[in-house]
Amino acid sequence: DAKTTQPPSMDCAEGRAANLPCNHSTISGNEYVYWYRQIHSQGPQYIIHGLKNNETNEMASLIITEDRKSSTLILPHATLRDTAVYYCIPRGEYGNKLVFGAGTILRVKS
Amino acid sequence: EAGVAQSPRYKIIEKRQSVAFWCNPISGHATLYWYQQILGQGPKLLIQFQNNGVVDDSQLPKDRFSAERLKGVDSTLKIQPAKLEDSAVYLCASSSFRGRGAFFGQGTRLTVV
Repeated sequence: DAKTTQPPSMDCAEGRAANLPCNHSTISGNEYVYWYRQIHSQGPQYIIHGLKNNETNEMASLIITEDRKSSTLILPHATLRDTAVYYCIPRGEYGNKLVFGAGTILRVKS
Repeated sequence: EAGVAQSPRYKIIEKRQSVAFWCNPISGHATLYWYQQILGQGPKLLIQFQNNGVVDDSQLPKDRFSAERLKGVDSTLKIQPAKLEDSAVYLCASSSFRGRGAFFGQGTRLTVV
């Protein structure tokens, strides 16, 4: 399993963009980068995933470096409800387990 | 689509007692996972099923934990006997082969006293 490094915590002002970095230098060629978040007292929630191209959906954007050794999750206009623990997880796309690290606690403040 | 259903939501038991958790995955999802999440840590995989067969149970404490997935749909996780260190949230998740990783239930919060 590829090892990831994420900052333990980050703060962001409400309405501003939140940029959450992740280092995954040992990711293998067939592994996607998945991002999940976990709001207090809830199960983890899927956000987005990508292989090597940048991806965008209704929740967030994912920027993956060309060498695939790191990525950044971008929440373009953070709200208080985005306060959660964010996990970056390398994973093969089909049927493989998700291995969670400690994640980044994002606190969005008004 | 309906999400992953888990029950009960909360359970308090005394050490050395037994307890069981139930999970109903999203319809059609062949893969089912049970995770244990201790307060302040990320979820840890206990067991992964593909239909009704076990794919990975390397981190399941088999002397006290057991899990089954009858007919490849619902699943039950059992702890017998429980220890204080089993206090955690037990999360069930399911996935299909089509991307988007896994979908998680709300979890069962177990307190062993």
